[in-house]
Amino acid sequence: QVQLQESGPGLVKPSQTLSLTCTVSGGSISGGSYYWSWIRQPAGKALEWIGRINTSGTTDYSPSLQGRVSISVDTSKNQFSLKLNSVTAADTAVYYCARWVFDIWYFDLWGRGTLVTVSS
Amino acid sequence: DIVMTQSPLSLPVTPGEPASISCRSSQSLLHSNGHKYLDWFMQRPGQSPQLLIYLGSHRASGVADRFSGSGSGTDFTLKISRVEAEDVGVYYCMHSLQLPHTFGQGTRLEI
Repeated sequence: QVQLQESGPGLVKPSQTLSLTCTVSGGSISGGSYYWSWIRQPAGKALEWIGRINTSGTTDYSPSLQGRVSISVDTSKNQFSLKLNSVTAADTAVYYCARWVFDIWYFDLWGRGTLVTVSS
Repeated sequence: DIVMTQSPLSLPVTPGEPASISCRSSQSLLHSNGHKYLDWFMQRPGQSPQLLIYLGSHRASGVADRFSGSGSGTDFTLKISRVEAEDVGVYYCMHSLQLPHTFGQGTRLEI
């Protein structure tokens, strides 16, 4: 059974870079037609789509975060990663990694999420 | 970006009774291929979202048949035929017609 697990620092200082990794276990990140995605949720607020990558390295980003966000994939480690530059308090959120199934067109798997707080 | 608007934002329900949540999109989610690019998720307290309905009306694997989705190009509805205690949580609609995917504000189902 494929599972996703986010990891990374829970506290980031303003103006610094938020870095998170999602580890795929129970299956290969390279198998199937998937987009590996990041989504975030500020406390008490709605979900926000951040961006995605496939194993060919093709990326798509939210226009609202374009220029600050970067997603990469490491197939040898079965991981994909998120970097968000120049963070502010507004970037404080629970960050989820998720799998988008390209053939059927939906998110079928989500990680448990990890809280990242931006504070000095 | 497509704006997704849900109503109500809070929905008190009684176990055994039906419930209905609405979601409206700022532009049609009906593609020329006939698919309606609207999904529904449920998020239980402290958990990650779980897919309930995809492409407007298709129940995801393992989802109870008391959940159903329907709708036209811009107006969609999630119905629970008989609410159970385990249905408590926040329900979100999300469009997948184009990027970026956007979510509704969420509807909190309370018993």
